[in-house]
Amino acid sequence: QQQVKQSPQSLIVQKGGISIINCAYENTAFDYFPWYQQFPGKGPALLIAIRPDVSEKKEGRFTISFNKSAKQFSLHIMDSQPGDSATYFCAAQDSGGSNYKLTFGKGTLLTVNP
Amino acid sequence: ETGVTQSPTHLIKTRGQQVTLRCSSQSGHNTVSWYQQALGQGPQFIFQYYREEENGRGNFPPRFSGLQFPNYSSELNVNALELDDSALYLCASSWTQGAGELFFGEGSRLTVL
Repeated sequence: QQQVKQSPQSLIVQKGGISIINCAYENTAFDYFPWYQQFPGKGPALLIAIRPDVSEKKEGRFTISFNKSAKQFSLHIMDSQPGDSATYFCAAQDSGGSNYKLTFGKGTLLTVNP
Repeated sequence: ETGVTQSPTHLIKTRGQQVTLRCSSQSGHNTVSWYQQALGQGPQFIFQYYREEENGRGNFPPRFSGLQFPNYSSELNVNALELDDSALYLCASSWTQGAGELFFGEGSRLTVL
């Protein structure tokens, strides 16, 4: 059972454009939603995270939008750069649970063309 | 400050064998989690260790086991290897058991033939 669904699977954007990646979750107990960025041959690295008490969080060119009623959240990358080319994973966690696991989506391969 | 380091980086085993993967956590971190990342998939939670005890486990069989040592480094052991165990195994350390940033190593790429 896939608890976090991520789309699209791959995305090609021109330099300077906006990249948008969407995720949907099922477990209403999830209360922590991070995005991780992974370059080839490297481990994932935290990009930005949000909790459901806010609807949007912005850090530089990266913004998370969160819709609690729809159980959806998305990552927007403004002014996309070739250096942003990587795989992006959304994730979710029930911070009050006893399992402590982070549930990841399947990932989106972003390619930013120069 | 050293980051999370994992060893070996690559290894090849045959079906039925056993493997041990090692992880040194980032300085100051007392919690270690292990994830399995199959090709083209997101990481899947195997288990977490806090103060040398397993305190959370994903949907993995008992042949996946681990240890955490007093210096917070950790091992992942997999017995009776199966072809489907071929994956990138990621170790992540953190300051806390709960929600918060995970610091991942570069992983150990296991191929089972």
